[in-house]
Amino acid sequence: ILNVEQSPQSLHVQEGDSTNFTCSFPSSNFYALHWYRWETAKSPEALFVMTLNGDEKKKGRISATLNTKEGYSYLYIKGSQPEDSATYLCAFGGGKLIFGQGTELSVKP
Amino acid sequence: GAGVSQSPRYKVAKRGQDVALRCDPISGHVSLFWYQQALGQGPEFLTYFQNEAQLDKSGLPSDRFFAERPEGSVSTLKIQRTQQEDSAVYLCASSPRTAPPYNEQFFGPGTRLTVL
Repeated sequence: ILNVEQSPQSLHVQEGDSTNFTCSFPSSNFYALHWYRWETAKSPEALFVMTLNGDEKKKGRISATLNTKEGYSYLYIKGSQPEDSATYLCAFGGGKLIFGQGTELSVKP
Repeated sequence: GAGVSQSPRYKVAKRGQDVALRCDPISGHVSLFWYQQALGQGPEFLTYFQNEAQLDKSGLPSDRFFAERPEGSVSTLKIQRTQQEDSAVYLCASSPRTAPPYNEQFFGPGTRLTVL
């Protein structure tokens, strides 16, 4: 059974703090690792699709790294803002996705 | 442009009732996925369509769950004789690609089903 784990489950930070989350996944049969941001009552929004070991991707204040050999990915948010409050999901796979349980981020002004 | 839409957004059903959840994918997207997210969990795969063909239904939890996509665009997920454990958010996603590994999926906002 393929398992994707995310940590922490929830995180409460102050505006301006930098933060990071972890996603661990099976290191064998790797296709792709996806990061999504899901705000309440909205559609999950794709942040990154990562396919190569050592990949680093950046979108504004958010960046992600990928280590397929050891089976983990980090998502970083620099200078968190209240609008970053959301659940961050990682998912493993190329067709049907296997999701972690998510990290719920709350940023207080 | 228009994204993936789902309807209804919220559905309350009495136990034993049948429900139908609709997904309108992005126009021209070949692949369509359904996922179920129970409270406190990540989304879990239910079924996959490539055009009108249902290629994978391994995630459907019981024979009360049925999905179709008859013309290769709109899809309907039907749950018969709903049970309380069916309460979840049902997400639909579409993709322009047909094969892994680079299958970026675009999600709808989900339908939150509550079974009383």
